[in-house]
Parts: sequence; structure tokens; C-alpha cells
Amino acid sequence: QQPVQSPQAVILREGEDAVINCSSSKALYSVHWYRQKHGEAPVFLMILLKGGEQKGHDKISASFNEKKQQSSLYLTASQLSYSGTYFCGTPSGGSYIPTFGRGTSLIVHP
Amino acid sequence: EAQVTQNPRYLITVTGKKLTVTCSQNMNHEYMSWYRQDPGLGLRQIYYSMNVEVTDKGDVPEGYKVSRKEKRNFPLILESPSPNQTSLYFCASRSGANVLTFGAGSRLTVL
Repeated sequence: QQPVQSPQAVILREGEDAVINCSSSKALYSVHWYRQKHGEAPVFLMILLKGGEQKGHDKISASFNEKKQQSSLYLTASQLSYSGTYFCGTPSGGSYIPTFGRGTSLIVHP
Repeated sequence: EAQVTQNPRYLITVTGKKLTVTCSQNMNHEYMSWYRQDPGLGLRQIYYSMNVEVTDKGDVPEGYKVSRKEKRNFPLILESPSPNQTSLYFCASRSGANVLTFGAGSRLTVL
């Protein structure tokens, strides 16, 4: 069962901030974030393993609210290189391999 | 270089003609998975494997088969492809740190 991402798309100017949300109807034990640039394979950004955990990667950070079964990805002072589709994923069953949401398309304009 | 290699990268075929998309990883990972990507639907898991001879269905397994006879290889088999299997396919393997490494993708068109 796919996690639900919102919004579906975000259009920004360089320097603006964005938030991408990921929620699940099932209990979340971990949340995985990946970015896919146009024509390329998805690339790992970060994993959050515990409720309340927050992580950062350059100016991209994420939080994980286990109780609310939600995670959010924060992109601060967006750069052109941030453009792409962002996916959140949550492991399902015993596979430990994530099931991904439908993705959020982020476009950063000069 | 640590990588996941998929072949072919591009394929156009006709309905009913069996095909195999190969996937090989050189990282000695136990977990491997196949996804298909369609516009607006994101990455949907087809099958995954937790080790040699251990495979299980993902969310959209209909029309696909897989095998895992060796740790490094995880081929995706379409016994009788249909046009609704036209898609972009990704193979991925998972490290012990839970990081997925994806192959470059295989774009399949079924006429």
C-alpha cells in the first residue's frame, strides 16, 4: 500500500522554501526519501528510523512523526539542482524494501 | 564501482513475445527488488527477493515472474507481454544500511 504524498507538484523560484509531506494509513517504522532527476534513476537522500528523528543533508532536511504516521521533507533556499521528483517510501511487510508514494515533482526556476 | 546493471535499456516488442530484463549487482546485497514507473503512479513494486531462492510479490506482480538463482542476479520475466506492461522498469538492491541502489532503468514498449 503506497504512502500518500502531497503536494503532487511544487513550482518555486531559486531561494524559496518548500515542504513535501508523506503520510501512511499504516504504522510507520521508517521513512525513506529519494530524489529522481529527469531521465535518471532515483537516488537516496535519507532514512528516518525513529519517531521524532530529524535529519539534514545540505539544505534538505526531514522529520518523522511516528504517532501521526507522517514525515515531511524540507527544502530550504532552493537551488536549481533541487529540481526533480521526490519520493517517500515505507517498508511493507517483511521485505524491508520500501513501497514508494506517487512522488512530488519539484521545479525550481531561476 | 558499486552498481546495479540492467539490460536492455530500451526494448520495443510485440504482444505475446516472451522477454527477460536482466539485473545484476556487484555489491553482494541480499535484498533486490523490481519496480515499474508510470506517469502519475510513482514507483510501484513488482517483486522482491530477500535472498537466493526467496522471492515474494510486491504490489503489482500480475503478468511478471522473477527468479533468484544467484545472489547477484534477479531477472524479470514477462512470459506474454501486453501493452499495459509498457513502462519504465527499475531494478534495485538494498545495502545493510537500508539504502537502495537503482539500476539505470529499462524502457519497455509493448505494441
